[in-house]
Amino acid sequence: GQQLNQSPQSMFIQEGEDVSMNCTSSSIFNTWLWYKQDPGEGPVLLIALYKAGELTSNGRLTAQFGITRKDSFLNISASIPSDVGIYFCAGLNTGGFKTIFGAGTRLFVKA
Amino acid sequence: ETGVTQSPTHLIKTRGQQVTLRCSSQSGHNTVSWYQQALGQGPQFIFQYYREEENGRGNFPPRFSGLQFPNYSSELNVNALELDDSALYLCASSSGGNSPLHFGNGTRLTVT
Repeated sequence: GQQLNQSPQSMFIQEGEDVSMNCTSSSIFNTWLWYKQDPGEGPVLLIALYKAGELTSNGRLTAQFGITRKDSFLNISASIPSDVGIYFCAGLNTGGFKTIFGAGTRLFVKA
Repeated sequence: ETGVTQSPTHLIKTRGQQVTLRCSSQSGHNTVSWYQQALGQGPQFIFQYYREEENGRGNFPPRFSGLQFPNYSSELNVNALELDDSALYLCASSSGGNSPLHFGNGTRLTVT
């Protein structure tokens, strides 16, 4: 079945550093999504991407929909302690019913 | 705008028992999906409901079943609980198509 591979699995960075994480798939998706999950909470939508090549920002976060439609990346600039959490990528196809999630990238930020 | 709410927040059950988890969808959303998230993993798709009918199902056995009500709220029922069913169960609503899911904070189920 469809699978999403996220890398890295975890990252330990200093406050103020930039972060980059990515997600690849063997299948094409029409929609790529990025979520953040804090302990004890559900995933929260950060950015939604609907078009190959699309580059979208949300504050210090920037995500891109790969032109092959098989990958996406998320960048966080000037990280702060509240960026700590698990970041999930997810893919969905138009007309499909299943949003598929990666295993997550765990981000740790040292003040 | 009211977000997705789930109840209960935590639940402890014994192997072999049955459990019902509840979810109220975000206002304006007509589609509800349920996910199972084991510790350290990403959410795994269980099934989706639209217009009170199951619209698609992941790789979960028939003892996982659900309902959607006319007000778009939903229930997840799990029969004959097994130890491996211990997980965070997430409900998410959307307006269908390729619109993104919006999640509740989940129900933490522990099976002993």
